Amino acid sequence: GNSVTQMEGPVTLSEEAFLTINCTYTATGYPSLFWYVQYPGEGLQLLLKATKADDKGSNKGFEATYRKETTSFHLEKGSVQVSDSAVYFCALSGGSYIPTFGRGTSLIVHP
Amino acid sequence: ETGVTQTPRHLVMGMTNKKSLKCEQHLGHNAMYWYKQSAKKPLELMFVYNFKEQTENNSVPSRFSPECPNSSHLFLHLHTLQPEDSALYLCASSPPEDSTDTQYFGPGTRLTVL
Repeated sequence: GNSVTQMEGPVTLSEEAFLTINCTYTATGYPSLFWYVQYPGEGLQLLLKATKADDKGSNKGFEATYRKETTSFHLEKGSVQVSDSAVYFCALSGGSYIPTFGRGTSLIVHP
Repeated sequence: ETGVTQTPRHLVMGMTNKKSLKCEQHLGHNAMYWYKQSAKKPLELMFVYNFKEQTENNSVPSRFSPECPNSSHLFLHLHTLQPEDSALYLCASSPPEDSTDTQYFGPGTRLTVL
């Protein structure tokens, strides 16, 4: 079946540091790929998405590029803020693909 | 705020109780989902409804019984649960015009089974 694997956390960074959270997926064909974010006490919310190979999703300074050749969708941000502290989920869905999520990666940003 | 609401936000129940979780959206979405979120585990899809018809049951035990009376409301009826069923239960919906099935999540119900 389909699966999503993302790096174990927590990831701990200082404010203004560069962020990378790795995500790879297993699926045949071309699912849509997503990053969702979950703040404490809340549900998940969409951060960004990409629907086909080489597409780049971006939002609030975060970016991720759909890489079919490496089946990856790594999340990056050039300069993190304390307010970015949250849990980040990589996911795939769309068409015949049942929504499938990774385990989540906790990000902690210190001032 | 995604426009998906869930009640109650917190629920404590004994193993012999019967309770129900409610999810509501007035976003015009046609698909609704129940997920279970446990610590250290991937988000688990439980049920999917499309236009009130159940299209997915991800091998969920029968002590969880979903109900979707219309496209705006989704219930999860709970009966004789086990302590390992304690988790955050998330509802989500997705719009009919979105072929990517972008998920719009509610805030969740934190369930504790004693």
